[in-house]
Amino acid sequence: DVKVTQSSRYLVKRTGEKVFLECVQDMDHENMFWYRQDPGLGLRLIYFSYDVKMKEKGDIPEGYSVSREKKERFSLILESASTNQTSMYLCASSRAEGHQETQYFGPGTRLLVL
Amino acid sequence: GQNIDQPTEMTATEGAIVQINCTYQTSGFNGLFWYQQHAGEAPTFLSYNVLDGLEEKGRFSSFLSRSKGYSYLLLKELQMKDSASYLCASMDSNYQLIWGAGTKLIIKP
Repeated sequence: DVKVTQSSRYLVKRTGEKVFLECVQDMDHENMFWYRQDPGLGLRLIYFSYDVKMKEKGDIPEGYSVSREKKERFSLILESASTNQTSMYLCASSRAEGHQETQYFGPGTRLLVL
Repeated sequence: GQNIDQPTEMTATEGAIVQINCTYQTSGFNGLFWYQQHAGEAPTFLSYNVLDGLEEKGRFSSFLSRSKGYSYLLLKELQMKDSASYLCASMDSNYQLIWGAGTKLIIKP
């Protein structure tokens, strides 16, 4: 059974803190993605990775960085959290065999920045 | 620009049929996805269309018209557990998903 896990369901951080969001998938997927989801907006892509040590900017990378040291793990880093980064963060993974592969999502991390 | 439009909210009755529409404008097109998302949970895959026509999968069907930039998700024999948000996403020429804001479906007894 497909499984994507995220390190926390809820997080509360203070402005200026460094925040790490971890995502692990057990499906041996090559592709991994980080999105944020805000009310009234569609999912917005922050960063994605098609392979270990590889990363590509999505639509809204500003204020974020990522790390992919192992195939199964993709980390999202907020270098200095700000209140406008309060959001739901969703990690997803997919196979690389065909570009139109289904993305499988983790349960999400709801981050509140005070 | 790239844009996905779908209604914000719909209400339907248990046992009835509901159609959720989605129109899209993306740079290139590599298929249209529908996902279901229950409150506080992860989106889960429902369907993928890349050719025109209707794809049926149990109580759920998805339709695509590429010439019209239009898709719909049809849910039959509605059950209370179908109360969720339904997300439409178009895959563009770079194989990136462009997401709609989602349609919140409320099922009443």
